[in-house]
Amino acid sequence: EVQLVESGGGLVQPGGSLRLSCAASGFTFSSYDMHWVRQATGKGLEWVSAIGTAGDTYYPGSVKGRFTISRENAKNSLYLQMNSLRAGDTAVYYCARAVGAHTFDYWGQGTLVTVSS
Amino acid sequence: SYVLTQPPSVSVAPGQTARITCGGNNIGSKSVHWYQQKPGQAPVLVVYDDSDRPSGIPERFSGSNSGNTATLTISRVEAGDEADYYCQVWDSSSDRPWVFGGGTKLTVL
Repeated sequence: EVQLVESGGGLVQPGGSLRLSCAASGFTFSSYDMHWVRQATGKGLEWVSAIGTAGDTYYPGSVKGRFTISRENAKNSLYLQMNSLRAGDTAVYYCARAVGAHTFDYWGQGTLVTVSS
Repeated sequence: SYVLTQPPSVSVAPGQTARITCGGNNIGSKSVHWYQQKPGQAPVLVVYDDSDRPSGIPERFSGSNSGNTATLTISRVEAGDEADYYCQVWDSSSDRPWVFGGGTKLTVL
């Protein structure tokens, strides 16, 4: 059974840093592109970052230079290092597995990041 | 960047058919995916590549895509189908290539 379990969320002050983790199991982690998608309370889904099987990374402009996605295949783990956090980064962060034509077939349960003083 | 437009809400009586639209410029040329999200839960893929269903998703869920509109159709709607539904595409020219619609709240009357 495919499982994705996020951790590392919490309360952080503006300008602070946080590192999210996603533990994967039930599939060959190294063979899949992985993503982070976030959702502010009461809002829609927003793509945050992606990492390919070869370690290639992708970010939207709003987080580029502040967020870093990485993976450790030996540990079946995905990470998101978030620096210079802003109030607008407050959201539930989901990790998701990507397949086929850029769709997300499995999602974790999410971890809440709150940026507030 | 590419924009996907969904109606904020759709209401339907149990047993009837719900249709949720997703509008985008020439969306018919893209593969559209649909997710169901119930309160407090993670999204679940219900339709991918316009009209395919993952294993475990009831046949009541179907999709179509043509021109500027993609549609998720839920037949014989049940109370348990009440949720938010999001469409999603990939657009290589966008700053955020993985694009989501704003979501539609399906209410079962």
